[in-house]
Amino acid sequence: GDSVTQMEGPVTLSEEAFLTINCTYTATGYPSLFWYVQYPGEGLQLLLKATKADDKGSNKGFEATYRKETTSFHLEKGSVQVSDSAVYFCAPNNYGQNFVFGPGTRLSVLP
Amino acid sequence: DGGITQSPKYLFRKEGQNVTLSCEQNLNHDAMYWYRQDPGQGLRLIYYSQIVNDFQKGDIAEGYSVSREKKESFPLTVTSAQKNPTAFYLCASSVYRDPYNEQFFGPGTRLTVL
Repeated sequence: GDSVTQMEGPVTLSEEAFLTINCTYTATGYPSLFWYVQYPGEGLQLLLKATKADDKGSNKGFEATYRKETTSFHLEKGSVQVSDSAVYFCAPNNYGQNFVFGPGTRLSVLP
Repeated sequence: DGGITQSPKYLFRKEGQNVTLSCEQNLNHDAMYWYRQDPGQGLRLIYYSQIVNDFQKGDIAEGYSVSREKKESFPLTVTSAQKNPTAFYLCASSVYRDPYNEQFFGPGTRLTVL
């Protein structure tokens, strides 16, 4: 079945730093790709998604581009804030399968 | 507002007791899911259901049971057979196996076995 590998955390950054969280996947065909965010003590929320190659998903200053040639969907943000501290999950979703969630990457942003 | 509700938010159980976690959605989704999350870990699928009166085991179904008598509701019972039930439990719903749309998650129930 499909699988996903995420950058291990925790990632600690200072406010206004540039963020990259790497995500690569293994899948047959062309899955849609999702990033979810989980704030402390809460459920997961959709952050952004891309449904085909070269699509860029974006939301709240975060971006990720669907790179089919490298099977990657890296999450980036130009200037992080303390409020971005959370756990981020990469998740491919393929035809005929359930979602596959990565292990999550914890981000801590210091003021 | 459409969404998923889970109750209770915190639940304490004595060893040897069964306990049921509630999950309700008003998104008109056919599919519903239960996940378990341990500290610092990702999500593991317990059970899922694509339609009323039907459900399938996920990766870690042992010690758990579910029912799907109504489209809106998918309760999870943690039985005494579950050896290490202390965890954060998340319910989700979606259009069944639609690759273009997301799963929606509830706020979670934190279960602690005393």
